[in-house]
Amino acid sequence: AQSVAQPEDQVNVAEGNPLTVKCTYSVSGNPYLFWYVQYPNRGLQFLLKYITGDNLVKGSYGFEAEFNKSQTSFHLKKPSALVSDSALYFCAVRDKGGATNKLIFGTGTLLAVQP
Amino acid sequence: NAGVTQTPKFQVLKTGQSMTLQCAQDMNHNSMYWYRQDPGMGLRLIYYSASEGTTDKGEVPNGYNVSRLNKREFSLRLESAAPSQTSVYFCASSELGLRAGGAYTQYFGPGTRLTVL
Repeated sequence: AQSVAQPEDQVNVAEGNPLTVKCTYSVSGNPYLFWYVQYPNRGLQFLLKYITGDNLVKGSYGFEAEFNKSQTSFHLKKPSALVSDSALYFCAVRDKGGATNKLIFGTGTLLAVQP
Repeated sequence: NAGVTQTPKFQVLKTGQSMTLQCAQDMNHNSMYWYRQDPGMGLRLIYYSASEGTTDKGEVPNGYNVSRLNKREFSLRLESAAPSQTSVYFCASSELGLRAGGAYTQYFGPGTRLTVL
C-alpha cells in the first residue's frame, strides 16, 4: 500500500538554527512528492514538489527538500529558521492507483521555532 | 484570482441536522477534492471529482454526499450530522495530470470549522 510517514509529531528549533522536518514514503515506481505548510486557522499552502530531475528541490520562503531514493525520504530543510516558520507541515505523495491527482498526506509535523 | 473559496467559515449543528458546504475555484481546474482534518490524523479524503461530471469516494465517505455542480463548484452535504463529523473541512482543486505544468499540485481553500453537538 502507498503511504507517507512523518515520524516526528513536533520539531523544536531555535531561531537562526537549521531545521529539518522528516518524511519517508512507500510507493511503487517513481514518486511525486509534495510539502505543504498550514498556519493556524488557515488552509494548506503549497511549498514545493519533486516530480523528476534534480534531487534538491527549492521552494517558497527559503525552504528546500532533498529527495533520496535509496532511503525513500523527502526531508524538508531550511538553513536558518525564523519564528514565523512555526506552523504545521505536511508531506504528501501522489496516489498512483488510477488516473487521478489524489494525494496521500502524512499526519503532519508541528514546527516550533523559539526566539 | 480568489483561488479556492469555501463557505461558511464556521458552523454549529445539532445532531441530525443537515447542511451543505460550498466550494468554488476560479483557476479553471478540472479536479476537486473534499478533505477532513482531525488532530493527529492528518488530512483524509472524503470525496473527489477528477473532472466535471464525475465523483468518487475517498477514504472516509460514509455520512457524506457530494455534487459537482459545474467545473467551478463542488459541494459537500451532510444529510444527518453526527458528533463524529465534528472536524475542519477543506476543499482543494488541481489540474488533471501534467498539463499546464500542474503536476498534481493541489490548492486549498481556507476551510470550514464544523461542530456537531
